[in-house]
Formats: sequence, C-alpha cells, structure tokens
Amino acid sequence: AQKVTQAQTEISVVEKEDVTLDCVYETRDTTYYLFWYKQPPSGELVFLIRRNSFDEQNEISGRYSWNFQKSTSSFNFTITASQVVDSAVYFCALTAIQGAQKLVFGQGTRLTINP
Amino acid sequence: NAGVMQNPRHLVRRRGQEARLRCSPMKGHSHVYWYRQLPEEGLKFMVYLQKENIIDESGMPKERFSAEFPKEGPSILRIQQVVRGDSAAYFCASRRGAVEGNEQFFGPGTRLTVL
Repeated sequence: AQKVTQAQTEISVVEKEDVTLDCVYETRDTTYYLFWYKQPPSGELVFLIRRNSFDEQNEISGRYSWNFQKSTSSFNFTITASQVVDSAVYFCALTAIQGAQKLVFGQGTRLTINP
Repeated sequence: NAGVMQNPRHLVRRRGQEARLRCSPMKGHSHVYWYRQLPEEGLKFMVYLQKENIIDESGMPKERFSAEFPKEGPSILRIQQVVRGDSAAYFCASRRGAVEGNEQFFGPGTRLTVL
C-alpha cells in the first residue's frame, strides 16, 4: 500500500523567511512519481512539480526548491524568501508509474505567511 | 486548449436529494479520475474511468455513489440520497492515455454542500 505523510499540519512564518515543508512516503513500487500541489484559498489545485523516482537530482525553480532523498523516502519542499502570496495548503502526492496511476495525497500543510 | 471543466462549481442539496457532478476532460484526454476532499483533509481517490469503462472504483463508497464516462459527453459522478457527510469538494482530473508519465490535470472542483 502507498502512503504519504505530511507531519506538519500548519506552519506560520513571517514574510521573507525560508520555510521547508516535509513529505515522507511509503511505497512498494520500484518506480513511482512524486508531486507537490498548491491549493490557494480560492480552492483550485495548482501543479508545482513532478519527480520521477529514477531522478534524485534536486530541483530549483525560482524561489522554490525540492529535495528528493530516496534513502529516507522524503521529498521536501523549500520556499525561499517567502511571500504573502505563498499562503496556501500544500499537498505532497505519490503514484505508481504503472497501473491506474491514481494519486495518493498527504493530509496537506497549511502555510501562512504573515506580513 | 481549454482545461478540465467541472460544473457546477457550487452545488447545494438537501438531505435525500440527488447530486450530479459533471467533468469535461481536456481535449484528447480519455482517462478521468474523481477525488474527494473532505473539510480539512487531503484528497482521496474515488474512481478511475476510461471511455465507457470503470477501471478502478476502489475508493468509491459502496452505496449511493456511481460514476460514468460515456462515449459522448462529460463524466458524471452521481450521489443519490445525499447526507450531510457527503459535503465536500469533488475534484476531477484527466490525462491523455495509458502512456507512462502522463500527468493528471485537475479541474477547479465542485463544492457540494448538503443542508
């Protein structure tokens, strides 16, 4: 069975601080994808990144960076110099590459950036 | 190329009524997923459909819920005799085909409120 754990339910920081959202996963699949989605107050789901289990290179996109550590089954997400617009609920998700490819989501981390 | 469309965006029903949620996948996408997000929780997979076929319904409640994806027209998630516990956001996602790595694109969701 697959499982995604986001232990941090809520995080609150002051604008311009760096913040890291943790994601730990469990899977028996040898190949899989990991995702991060953002859900702003308006409610839609915004795709941020997909990472293939073959590729452990860290990725940076502007103020966002992701650290994939297969050895610890973690896929953490860091926002550098946070901004108020980053306030949202962030979901980590996992899917097997083969089969139905249904996404398994974590419980989400509610991030509040205070001015 | 329009994204995934869901309607209605908001739906209010009284206990015992029926709810019909519609999802039009992106053009060229033949795979549809339905997910449910209960208040303050992550998304949970409900059902995976291809045109005219239910592939995986392991996340669907055994009673009152059904889904279809006809040859023509949108996918429909139907909830009969709604109860207060059905109040949630229902998200539809679509992807192109069975090729590995096809990303799921999410619609804006339908927020169902049962009075």
